[in-house]
Amino acid sequence: KQEVTQIPAALSVPEGENLVLNCSFTDSAIYNLQWFRQDPGKGLTSLLLIQSSQREQTSGRLNASLDKSSGRSTLYIAASQPGDSATYLCAVMGGANNLFFGTGTRLTVIP
Amino acid sequence: NAGVTQTPKFRILKIGQSMTLQCTQDMNHNYMYWYRQDPGMGLKLIYYSVGAGITDKGEVPNGYNVSRSTTEDFPLRLELAAPSQTSVYFCASSYSDRDIDEQYFGPGTRLTVT
Repeated sequence: KQEVTQIPAALSVPEGENLVLNCSFTDSAIYNLQWFRQDPGKGLTSLLLIQSSQREQTSGRLNASLDKSSGRSTLYIAASQPGDSATYLCAVMGGANNLFFGTGTRLTVIP
Repeated sequence: NAGVTQTPKFRILKIGQSMTLQCTQDMNHNYMYWYRQDPGMGLKLIYYSVGAGITDKGEVPNGYNVSRSTTEDFPLRLELAAPSQTSVYFCASSYSDRDIDEQYFGPGTRLTVT
């Protein structure tokens, strides 16, 4: 059974810092990996999707990498802003259209 | 485009009551999903559908039922609610199961069973 782990569980950084969020998964047979953002009391917003054949994806200040063989992904956020404060969820697509989610990293960016 | 909409936003049920959580998408997506998110935990798949008339179980289907009579709607039915079903429920949709197609999520329904 696929297990997805995110470290750290919580992170506080001062505004302007670059930061890295980590995601690891136990079964490398995945179709894709997605990073989501979740604001308190809200739904999930998709940030980046990396196909299993890709190594990374970029969107603005966000860059996500995927190393399928080692079961790892990182989300890099450049020049963090207070508006980046949210919980970031990593999810991998296994068979049967099932997304397996990690428990998230709660990010606080301090002005 | 409203995307994925869910009703109600909040609901409190007594043990043994039943209810239906509504989910509608206007993106003409074939695939729809129901997840639950317990406090401090990741989301888990309850049921999914690959098109009208076709549904299948996910990781945690016990205590729930679904139907898919149209492309747009995918209601989730709770029969005989139990405290263990207290959770936040998210509906999602995607165009297909191809690895390039991301899932789009609704805002969630927060359910408390007491």
